[in-house]
Amino acid sequence: NAGVTQTPKFRILKIGQSMTLQCTQDMNHNYMYWYRQDPGMGLKLIYYSVGAGITDKGEVPNGYNVSRSTTEDFPLRLELAAPSQTSVYFCASSPSYREGYTFGSGTRLTVV
Amino acid sequence: AQSVTQLGSHVSVSEGALVLLRCNYSSSVPPYLFWYVQYPNQGLQLLLKYTTGATLVKGINGFEAEFKKSETSFHLTKPSAHMSDAAEYFCAVRINSGGYQKVTFGTGTKLQVIP
Repeated sequence: NAGVTQTPKFRILKIGQSMTLQCTQDMNHNYMYWYRQDPGMGLKLIYYSVGAGITDKGEVPNGYNVSRSTTEDFPLRLELAAPSQTSVYFCASSPSYREGYTFGSGTRLTVV
Repeated sequence: AQSVTQLGSHVSVSEGALVLLRCNYSSSVPPYLFWYVQYPNQGLQLLLKYTTGATLVKGINGFEAEFKKSETSFHLTKPSAHMSDAAEYFCAVRINSGGYQKVTFGTGTKLQVIP
């Protein structure tokens, strides 16, 4: 099983550029999440979704957007990239709130 | 508000020694608790979880954790450290608050295993 697949693994953006981080899962999980991880800061929730067509903001949503048109896919859009968005981004999914998350391998983004 | 505190951002143990990673949480409702492990340049992997029932929870790779409500703790232990245990460990707490599932992660503890 592939689990949660994130692409790309690495990306360098210039300030003001935009990009989409892709996330897909093949476990038929309803819940999906986007986190960013900064050194010494743990993980911060950007957006989450409880099913296709339903998304909501997490702790740090500014500068990002998401969509969830299918159960499998949960892309994260960065508009007008800023240096503060330099981070490692993780997508995760879970079948319910009782279960732990399955994480992707991450996307390391640098904004210069 | 809920929070998670991991005591010690770095912990060093000798190979074969006891591993103890500390996690304390604050929550006004019964929590679900999780431990994750992250190896370099990888995503987080679930080690174990507590939802309800038995307070001593066993996970993968020989790790276990005990939920102590009176101490609001969920410390992670392993009797004998192995070199392959060197990684970063994250405690997380999840509560159901009016239908919104909020998860808070600790800031992580890096475990070094000394040969």
